[in-house]
Amino acid sequence: DGGITQSPKYLFRKEGQNVTLSCEQNLNHDAMYWYRQDPGQGLRLIYYSQIVNDFQKGDIAEGYSVSREKKESFPLTVTSAQKNPTAFYLCASTTGRGTEAFFGQGTRLTVV
Amino acid sequence: KQEVTQIPAALSVPEGENLVLNCSFTDSAIYNLQWFRQDPGKGLTSLLLIQSSQREQTSGRLNASLDKSSGRSTLYIAASQPGDSATYLCAVLNGGTSYGKLTFGQGTILTVHP
Repeated sequence: DGGITQSPKYLFRKEGQNVTLSCEQNLNHDAMYWYRQDPGQGLRLIYYSQIVNDFQKGDIAEGYSVSREKKESFPLTVTSAQKNPTAFYLCASTTGRGTEAFFGQGTRLTVV
Repeated sequence: KQEVTQIPAALSVPEGENLVLNCSFTDSAIYNLQWFRQDPGKGLTSLLLIQSSQREQTSGRLNASLDKSSGRSTLYIAASQPGDSATYLCAVLNGGTSYGKLTFGQGTILTVHP
């Protein structure tokens, strides 16, 4: 079945650690996105990528980094510079122009 | 900068009622508008996609309309059921200077009482 797979489902981070969230899609989509969701704040865009080896900052990119070395993969690293990383993280993909966006099931990150 | 607003923030209705959720956006340079449903702790499920050239889309008890020139969309749910209880989100895929950016509203939390 085609879709988006996010892993892990739950992730715990200690203060000062970097952690990487995985997002893989087998939909042959060009565009991929990372969102953060906090209670009562909707989805906020962290980074997005329209094509391999290219990506743009979203509205809240500080403290995060991404790479897009393969079309299928768009990992998100939450660095120690992100002071309040506890949130629900969602990955999405589209073909890039006018088509339906699909989402993964999310990763819940908690700082311990 | 594209901004998407959803009204109301929350809605509670008895089973069987027809209801309307509203979404507005500030920049009409969009490729499409999409409505999603999110259950607690889960990812987003796509409900309806309206291309910028279309006026409405229907799927079962759901009907979504788009007025691109006025920057508005509505999601109509007919004969609501308790299983419809969820958060409903609208999102626009931007063109123009924000090409490719997918911008979301804050969502409407819907509760349907038996």
